[in-house]
Amino acid sequence: DTAVSQTPKYLVTQMGNDKSIKCEQNLGHDTMYWYKQDSKKFLKIMFSYNNKELIINETVPNRFSPKSPDKAHLNLHINSLELGDSAVYFCASSQGTGGRQPQHFGDGTRLSIL
Amino acid sequence: GNSVTQMEGPVTLSEEAFLTINCTYTATGYPSLFWYVQYPGEGLQLLLKATKADDKGSNKGFEATYRKETTSFHLEKGSVQVSDSAVYFCALSAGAGNNRKLIWGLGTSLAVNP
Repeated sequence: DTAVSQTPKYLVTQMGNDKSIKCEQNLGHDTMYWYKQDSKKFLKIMFSYNNKELIINETVPNRFSPKSPDKAHLNLHINSLELGDSAVYFCASSQGTGGRQPQHFGDGTRLSIL
Repeated sequence: GNSVTQMEGPVTLSEEAFLTINCTYTATGYPSLFWYVQYPGEGLQLLLKATKADDKGSNKGFEATYRKETTSFHLEKGSVQVSDSAVYFCALSAGAGNNRKLIWGLGTSLAVNP
């Protein structure tokens, strides 16, 4: 009965490859997010979707492409992976936008680029 | 613009010591304030929140009071335990309408020794 689940938990791959991370939430929330956390624990918002519509698109290389097939899912595809993409990627969800309501996080996907 | 400033870590305490993690903010309008906690290997989870001036949020022995006059939301706990070892993030929700979003502090790592 995990609320926000991400797969895979670990991803180790070579530079230049393309990979995807999947996220699903069963909380009935209408808003989902992708965050990147670096080795110093700095948390950076990447994207946010509300009812499948993109509402936040921070300065992120266009190698990163989110897709939300429905309100409960938000996937992240990354093309031509680079060393600097190594990080922990967190999916989160909330009811409503704007941060008024608590965000619920998955356990993260640890991406390592060799 | 809107911003959050947290005290830098790491903070190292002995069990049963008193904890304060400072957080100050800059915001327009009427922000809501949050503390999130990230335990090792997990995603972030909401610890407590306050939505207006003089509100006190509390949970698991932690407290923080929304002080508009000092633009602060310091996190306190009277007696920490080893299980409190984690990274703590202060955040604020500010902005108007579709521009309202959650802004994160850099996180403060806490280690509690037995």
